[in-house]
Amino acid sequence: NAGVTQTPKFRVLKTGQSMTLLCAQDMNHEYMYWYRQDPGMGLRLIHYSVGEGTTAKGEVPDGYNVSRLKKQNFLLGLESAAPSQTSVYFCASSYEGYGYTFGSGTRLTVV
Amino acid sequence: AQTVTQSQPEMSVQEAETVTLSCTYDTSENNYYLFWYKQPPSRQMILVIRQEAYKQQNATENRFSVNFQKAAKSFSLKISDSQLGDTAMYFCAHPNFGNEKLTFGTGTRLTIIP
Repeated sequence: NAGVTQTPKFRVLKTGQSMTLLCAQDMNHEYMYWYRQDPGMGLRLIHYSVGEGTTAKGEVPDGYNVSRLKKQNFLLGLESAAPSQTSVYFCASSYEGYGYTFGSGTRLTVV
Repeated sequence: AQTVTQSQPEMSVQEAETVTLSCTYDTSENNYYLFWYKQPPSRQMILVIRQEAYKQQNATENRFSVNFQKAAKSFSLKISDSQLGDTAMYFCAHPNFGNEKLTFGTGTRLTIIP
């Protein structure tokens, strides 16, 4: 099935460890996004990209970095994980804001 | 900052009844989209319905319809003949800044009671 694929689906990290979440889309969408979802707070935008080689900060960017070296991939990095980064992470892509397709999410626990 | 507000954290309704979920938003744009997403326990985000602001007619998708009041910046979702499979979190969302970024409300947890 075409769409947005996130890897991994689950991960447990120790405080201070680093990791990269990978998002891949095969719909040729220009826009890609990383959100985090916490109870009672909906989805909050971490970083986004409006095209290959571009990135921009969202609502909650601190502690995260991103890269969009290829149009179909959007990577989210945590350099030094903290317990406050325990969350469910969603990647999404869109065609000029008309339709947004989401990945199935990554549940990250930082202990 | 542009915001989306869902004032009902939780709702429950009997199966086969009708339920309306509320959403208000803030925007300075004239042409934009509005969305309702459903998130069942599987965690997947599923698009329920989309409204284009320049269209006067309210969007409808089978049992789902919206009441879009542009001047009031209100975008409510009506679910008719509710089914057990409608049990989920529902999020209202609005793209801003030229449709670059999608902002979500905090969600309404809907439970359909058998």
